[in-house]
Parts: sequence; C-alpha cells; structure tokens
Amino acid sequence: DAKTTQPTSMDCAEGRAANLPCNHSTISGNEYVYWYRQIHSQGPQYIIHGLKNNETNEMASLIITEDRKSSTLILPHATLRDTAVYYCIVRAGGSNYKLTFGKGTLLTVNP
Amino acid sequence: DAGITQSPRHKVTETGTPVTLRCHQTENHRYMYWYRQDPGHGLRLIHYSYGVKDTDKGEVSDGYSVSRSKTEDFLLTLESATSSQTSVYFCAISGDRAMNTEAFFGQGTRLTVV
Repeated sequence: DAKTTQPTSMDCAEGRAANLPCNHSTISGNEYVYWYRQIHSQGPQYIIHGLKNNETNEMASLIITEDRKSSTLILPHATLRDTAVYYCIVRAGGSNYKLTFGKGTLLTVNP
Repeated sequence: DAGITQSPRHKVTETGTPVTLRCHQTENHRYMYWYRQDPGHGLRLIHYSYGVKDTDKGEVSDGYSVSRSKTEDFLLTLESATSSQTSVYFCAISGDRAMNTEAFFGQGTRLTVV
C-alpha cells in the first residue's frame, strides 16, 4: 500500500480557506486518493476522492499534482464545525478493498 | 446517513470473558471492516470482509475473530477479553471496488475491559 504523510496539526481562522497537504510519493497509477475526517469521537466521514484530475464537491476541493505524488484538500470557508482530524488515504490495490488509515492532521479552526 | 448500526454502543466487561460486537448494514454493500481506535494510534484495521464467509486479517488481528454468515452482518468476537482491548471499535462498509465508492462508518462501540 502506498503510504501517506500528513502534518500532525494545523490551524485556520474561521472563514478562511483551509489547505491540508498530503504526500503520497509511492502511489501507483491505479490508486485513488481519498480524504476522510473524524469529528471528535464520531465515526469517520467521507469527504472526497480523486485519481488524477482535480475534484470538487459541496464539502471540499481536491487538488492532485500532475505527478500524483501529493495532494491538497481545500475547505474553502472553514467554520468551527470543521475542526476535526483529516485523513488522507491511498486505496490499496489488489483484489480486496482494504482501507488503511494513518494518524491524520488535526485541523483546528479558530474564531 | 448510510444504514449502519453497531451494537452495543457501550459495554463494560471483565477480563477473560468473551465479547461479541455486531455490525449490521442495510445497504447491501460487499465490503465490511472492523477498526479500533486508541489515543495516539489513530484507526487501525482489525479484520475485513469482502463477501459472505470471506474475511481477512488487518494489521491488529491478534485476539480477535470475525464472522460473516450473511451480507448484512459482520461480527467481531473477542474470545477472551483483555485490558489491552479496551478501545473504541468502528465498523465500516463500502461498495464494490470497481465502483471506487467511499466507505461509511458506524458511530462506534466503546468497550471497556476491567
């Protein structure tokens, strides 16, 4: 499985964009990048995923570099409710859909 | 929210007793997972299933067994609970790999082994 590297923690001001980076330099050509978040003591929540093109949905945007070795999750207008641990995951290849989480980034949105 | 129900939500048990946690889904998804979460470790995969009666080990499977006799239920059993298995357990489901679908998580079961 491709490993991911994320900063341990980040801060963001309420109303500003939050940009969360992720390195996945060993990603394979057929592996997708997924982002999840976990708000305190709740189950993780899916945010977005992509292969090589940039993606946007109602929650966030995902920017993947051309060489696919890194990506950035963008929350365009962070709110206090976006304070959470954000996980960047590269989906395992092979015949089984195994999801392996790292330690993620704790994003704290400050008023 | 995806139809995932974990039971029980909270449990306190004594060391050496057997414990079974249940994950029930109403989405007819093929893949099901059990994770544990501990401070400083994040989410760690215990076991997962890729179909009825098809299961495989994750990174922290020692001391745990699973069973999946029907699509909607995935059971996690601690044959003889130990204090090191005190944790929050999350179940997750996802659709067919070819569709590259996201995973949905349950609300968790807080297990305390005393």
